[in-house]
Amino acid sequence: DQQVKQNSPSLSVQEGRISILNCDYTNSMFDYFLWYKKYPAEGPTFLISISSIKDKNEDGRFTVFLNKSAKHLSLHIVPSQPGDSAVYFCAASEGFGGAQKLVFGQGTRLTINP
Amino acid sequence: DVKVTQSSRYLVKRTGEKVFLECVQDMDHENMFWYRQDPGLGLRLIYFSYDVKMKEKGDIPEGYSVSREKKERFSLILESASTNQTSMYLCASSVGTDGEQYFGPGTRLTVT
Repeated sequence: DQQVKQNSPSLSVQEGRISILNCDYTNSMFDYFLWYKKYPAEGPTFLISISSIKDKNEDGRFTVFLNKSAKHLSLHIVPSQPGDSAVYFCAASEGFGGAQKLVFGQGTRLTINP
Repeated sequence: DVKVTQSSRYLVKRTGEKVFLECVQDMDHENMFWYRQDPGLGLRLIYFSYDVKMKEKGDIPEGYSVSREKKERFSLILESASTNQTSMYLCASSVGTDGEQYFGPGTRLTVT
């Protein structure tokens, strides 16, 4: 059963506009939510995270919003740039034996058009 | 800068072979993880380790085993490779409490 879901496999946005990537989860015990970015032939790189006790976190062009009642989070990128074209994964963390396990969504391929 | 390295970028093996994938991190992280990435399925956790010689099953451990004899090194073993284990394998390490993990570049394994 998929605990973290990204229902849009792909998204295409014009350069300079806002990109909004969405993610839904089912487990209310998750501690943190994270977004990762992945280019082809590279490992994912961390982008931004949010604690389950917050509803917004901002870092430059990137903002993550968390709606706990809806079990939904979103990543906003403003303004979108061509270098933002990549696959974006949302992930949720849960504690296990001293480590934080991550559960990932399926990913959304973002394409920024010039 | 955290560095996570994986022994091979590309690997081709035959069905039934024993396969070793090695991962090394240089930041003294306690926790290490092995994932596989498949189209439409995202990253799925195979095994993880929160200390030397400790290992825990992830969501899809069948057909895999792991070894962690030293803190910096975490190995994934495919005892008898099968074609459905053709995938991108990603290693990661972490130390923080928020779950942030640092990933290696991945090994694309093809089993024929």
